[in-house]
Amino acid sequence: GAVVSQHPSWVICKSGTSVKIECRSLDFQATTMFWYRQFPKQSLMLMATSNEGSKATYEQGVEKDKFLINHASLTLSTLTVTSAHPEDSSFYICSVIGIQREVEQYFGPGTRLTVT
Amino acid sequence: GQNIDQPTEMTATEGAIVQINCTYQTSGFNGLFWYQQHAGEAPTFLSYNVLDGLEEKGRFSSFLSRSKGYSYLLLKELQMKDSASYLCAVSDSNYQLIWGAGTKLIIKP
Repeated sequence: GAVVSQHPSWVICKSGTSVKIECRSLDFQATTMFWYRQFPKQSLMLMATSNEGSKATYEQGVEKDKFLINHASLTLSTLTVTSAHPEDSSFYICSVIGIQREVEQYFGPGTRLTVT
Repeated sequence: GQNIDQPTEMTATEGAIVQINCTYQTSGFNGLFWYQQHAGEAPTFLSYNVLDGLEEKGRFSSFLSRSKGYSYLLLKELQMKDSASYLCAVSDSNYQLIWGAGTKLIIKP
């Protein structure tokens, strides 16, 4: 069964609005969650590393005030795209690693965001 | 810097064998992953190598040479459904995945 869920699976929003994407670890407590973005025909790009109870670590070039990450519990992390623009349209995927620092990352099914 | 290289695209025939290579240079090494990704879907795990050698799992095998910074994914008895992108990723010293750009595999009948 699924280890990680994401909600919503797809969303269309208007330019200037905010969108929240949830990532839930279903099978185990996830101390660390990763948020990726993937543009068409490109590989995954790590946006940020989300640690439970502390501030997320953002990759270079990713605006932390635009992409708000909240990892409030060991099973839930949220990514909020604020003041969305059409160029934010992308496939957003989260992944988790276990509390035992398992090496394998488990991926969520992804959220397709379209900003009109 | 950290770098993962793999071919952009490969074409193979149904029923044949194909080998997708991956070379890497990373700060630290905690294993190498191969993922399969169909268009519009999240990656799915194929294999994990942390020690040198060949890991076989059904039609798929993965090989690792840490001294050479090299891995390959071998797909046998190719099926049309194997058409996908194959992503090589290395777990670095912080357990962060460094991703290759992916290899798009096209299977022809």
